[in-house]
Amino acid sequence: GQNIDQPTEMTATEGAIVQINCTYQTSGFNGLFWYQQHAGEAPTFLSYNVLDGLEEKGRFSSFLSRSKGYSYLLLKELQMKDSASYLCAPSSNDYKLSFGAGTTVTVRA
Amino acid sequence: KAGVTQTPRYLIKTRGQQVTLSCSPISGHRSVSWYQQTPGQGLQFLFEYFSETQRNKGNFPGRFSGRQFSNSRSEMNVSTLELGDSALYLCASSLEGTTPYYEQYFGPGTRLTVT
Repeated sequence: GQNIDQPTEMTATEGAIVQINCTYQTSGFNGLFWYQQHAGEAPTFLSYNVLDGLEEKGRFSSFLSRSKGYSYLLLKELQMKDSASYLCAPSSNDYKLSFGAGTTVTVRA
Repeated sequence: KAGVTQTPRYLIKTRGQQVTLSCSPISGHRSVSWYQQTPGQGLQFLFEYFSETQRNKGNFPGRFSGRQFSNSRSEMNVSTLELGDSALYLCASSLEGTTPYYEQYFGPGTRLTVT
């Protein structure tokens, strides 16, 4: 089964850093995706972690701890265009991707 | 390379009718997944197809079905529509599937409204 928990909303100021936490309980877990979804648009891929540790990609970084069932997405140097919903999505070895409810990040000037 | 396309983009149906949605994956992608997105439930997995075979399905009633053709294009069908089926239906394609390193590319979705 799947149980994914992430905060509903977060607000931060332009230029700041925000960390979105995600905890999961996923049968047959093999990796975790983060997707970004702007209002009215389809989700787009941000990152994928399969091993423990931090993956850095520009202003975005993602961390995974498989033993703790925990991941976070770190957004640095926030820009107005980063206002969106961020979806935590653990994948399992039965070809299934399950999504959390999403964290809506609002960036204020 | 063209992205994932879905048709139609918008659809209005009445209760009891049935509907068929279409998805064309990115060229070369053989895996197609379908999701239902609603404000209350978020993104929920419907089913995944690879080489015309359904490999997994989510917890949806049998009214929801799908298929994949030899060219990887996929359709999903919802029969006997209910008001609660109103949602954004998203299709996503990937090279092989969701594991281990294959990211999914989403189409723009079909907005279905049931009245």
